Amino acid sequence: ETGVTQTPRHLVMGMTNKKSLKCEQHLGHNAMYWYKQSAKKPLELMFVYNFKEQTENNSVPSRFSPECPNSSHLFLHLHTLQPEDSALYLCASSQDSGGYGYTFGSGTRLTVV
Amino acid sequence: EDQVTQSPEALRLQEGESSSLNCSYTVSGLRGLFWYRQDPGKGPEFLFTLYSAGEEKEKERLKATLTKKESFLHITAPKPEDSATYLCAVQILNSNDYKLSFGAGTTVTVRA
Repeated sequence: ETGVTQTPRHLVMGMTNKKSLKCEQHLGHNAMYWYKQSAKKPLELMFVYNFKEQTENNSVPSRFSPECPNSSHLFLHLHTLQPEDSALYLCASSQDSGGYGYTFGSGTRLTVV
Repeated sequence: EDQVTQSPEALRLQEGESSSLNCSYTVSGLRGLFWYRQDPGKGPEFLFTLYSAGEEKEKERLKATLTKKESFLHITAPKPEDSATYLCAVQILNSNDYKLSFGAGTTVTVRA
């Protein structure tokens, strides 16, 4: 198990549902990230939080809503999703400039039906 | 526009058959280039960071090198357990945040 824990591991939801993804890091890092990974595509950066403050929102649709209550926890609230939102959602954390690399969680496999 | 391109998309190797993966990048200024390994159903695992042209890093059968335009990940005498998707990412100089921009990855399959 890595120092970044994501729950749930798998999620199936209907287009009218509301659900949340959770990420927790136990590494004392000060930056946290949400990435979307679709098949055959590069990881897409969604949100960046640095010291709990959102520093980037990479043109993500409003049906995705992040929340970072403290530097150890990150949530991604989902509502009214589309089938094309089905993907692996990865959380990562880093310290300072990330020069030692991000630490990723195992991801949540999301299927929208 | 900053861009990261990995090739080939997939690579099938016989055990012991050495090969190289390529990551070419076009960025306004490079702060660092990162290599990750990703196993099916798992998140990417950090391998190396390279900061300047000419730099090399090694870990077991893997060796990463960097030039001003590209990076190579050399796999020497691979074993089946080296099968994974290898991701390359760049961090931009003078960026106010710490975000990484990733390539699409190279999926390596090593047959016994």
